[in-house]
Amino acid sequence: ETGVTQSPTHLIKTRGQQVTLRCSSQSGHNTVSWYQQALGQGPQFIFQYYREEENGRGNFPPRFSGLQFPNYSSELNVNALELDDSALYLCASSKSVSSYNEQFFGPGTRLTVL
Amino acid sequence: AQRVTQPEKLLSVFKGAPVELKCNYSYSGSPELFWYVQYSRQRLQLLLRHISRESIKGFTADLNKGETSFHLKKPFAQEEDSAMYYCALRVEGAQKLVFGQGTRLTINP
Repeated sequence: ETGVTQSPTHLIKTRGQQVTLRCSSQSGHNTVSWYQQALGQGPQFIFQYYREEENGRGNFPPRFSGLQFPNYSSELNVNALELDDSALYLCASSKSVSSYNEQFFGPGTRLTVL
Repeated sequence: AQRVTQPEKLLSVFKGAPVELKCNYSYSGSPELFWYVQYSRQRLQLLLRHISRESIKGFTADLNKGETSFHLKKPFAQEEDSAMYYCALRVEGAQKLVFGQGTRLTINP
């Protein structure tokens, strides 16, 4: 069983640019959640996708957007990057949206905005 | 708004000593509480959840609704317990997890 994978591992962008982060969910999982983890903080929920539809969103501006594909992989897009967007971005997948299903986390993508 | 507070950023204990990592939450409804752990160079993983009421790697946690706490305890710490620990809450009907800031636990030999 393949676990959650994320790409790239890390990247550097400049303020105002756009970035796309990718996540492959664990086999058999149809739900993907994205979290932002700033240095020294716990993960903060961005949004969740279930069967290609957004299913819940945290307190993040519209320039944070996402997609989920038919194979349940997902993308996180951030437009007009700001310095404060520098963080570790975590993806987590689960079997479904039921609260009984554990979320399995990927290793994260570290984004640095200069 | 929901909030999870872990008052200790760092906690250091000696091997064999008892460990208690504190977690308090703010939520008016019926919460679901979790402890997640991140060992060095590994990804974040679920340690235990209050609805399971089980002991994992010797750790237990009891939900105290009166004190709005979900402290993580282990009677005898081991060196392999050194890690970053996060307390998290999921509210009724929502999918997001609300995490605390985390506590870095170091077990000294």
